[in-house]
Amino acid sequence: GIQVEQSPPDLILQEGANSTLRCNFSDSVNNLQWFHQNPWGQLINLFYIPSGTKQNGRLSATTVATERYSLLYISSSQTTDSGVYFCAVVSGGGADGLTFGKGTHLIIQP
Amino acid sequence: GAGVSQSPSNKVTEKGKDVELRCDPISGHTALYWYRQRLGQGLEFLIYFQGNSAPDKSGLPSDRFSAERTGESVSTLTIQRTQQEDSAVYLCASSFRTSGLDTQYFGPGTRLTVL
Repeated sequence: GIQVEQSPPDLILQEGANSTLRCNFSDSVNNLQWFHQNPWGQLINLFYIPSGTKQNGRLSATTVATERYSLLYISSSQTTDSGVYFCAVVSGGGADGLTFGKGTHLIIQP
Repeated sequence: GAGVSQSPSNKVTEKGKDVELRCDPISGHTALYWYRQRLGQGLEFLIYFQGNSAPDKSGLPSDRFSAERTGESVSTLTIQRTQQEDSAVYLCASSFRTSGLDTQYFGPGTRLTVL
C-alpha cells in the first residue's frame, strides 16, 4: 500500500517562530488532508489539498502531486498550535480510507 | 446538525466481553469510515461504508470486529470477545462524497480500555 512519511518527527519552537512540516507519499493520491490533533485527541481539519496551494490565516499548505510531497507552513506560532500534525492520503488506486503518516509532534514554548 | 458524534466517549470493559461503539455522521454524508488509534501511534483505517454497504473491509484486524450501518445514518462497530490489544481510541469520520474524493470530518472518538 501507499507509504506516508512525515518530517520532522518532533519540533520544539519558541512562540512567534515559523515552521515547515513535510509529508512525502509513495504513490499518486486522490485526497490529501492535514490535521491537527489537539491535546484532547480531537482531529481538527486544516486543509483538504490533493494539489495546489491554500492559505487559512497563519497556516498555509502546498502539495506538489507530481513530486509526491506536501508542505504545511505555520507562521507566527502560538502556544495553542502545540499538538500533533498528521498528513493523510487516499491513494489513486487503493482503498478509500485515509492512510496516515506518523505525525509531527510540535511544541510551542512561551 | 453539527459535526460527527460518537458514543460512548469512554468505555472500560473486561477481557472477553463484547462492546458496541456508535457513530452518528454529519447529516447528508454518504460515506462513513472507522479508524483506530493505539496509544502513541498513528491512525489505522478499519472499514468504509458507502451508504449502508461496506465495499472495503480490508482494515478490520480480525473476525472479532464487525460493523454495520443503517441507510446513510448511524453506524455501529462491534468488537466481540475483547482482548487487551483492542485498547485504543476508535474514531469515526464521514464525508459528503465517496471514493475518498472529499474531506473526511472526524468525531471525538471512543476511548476503549480492556482490562
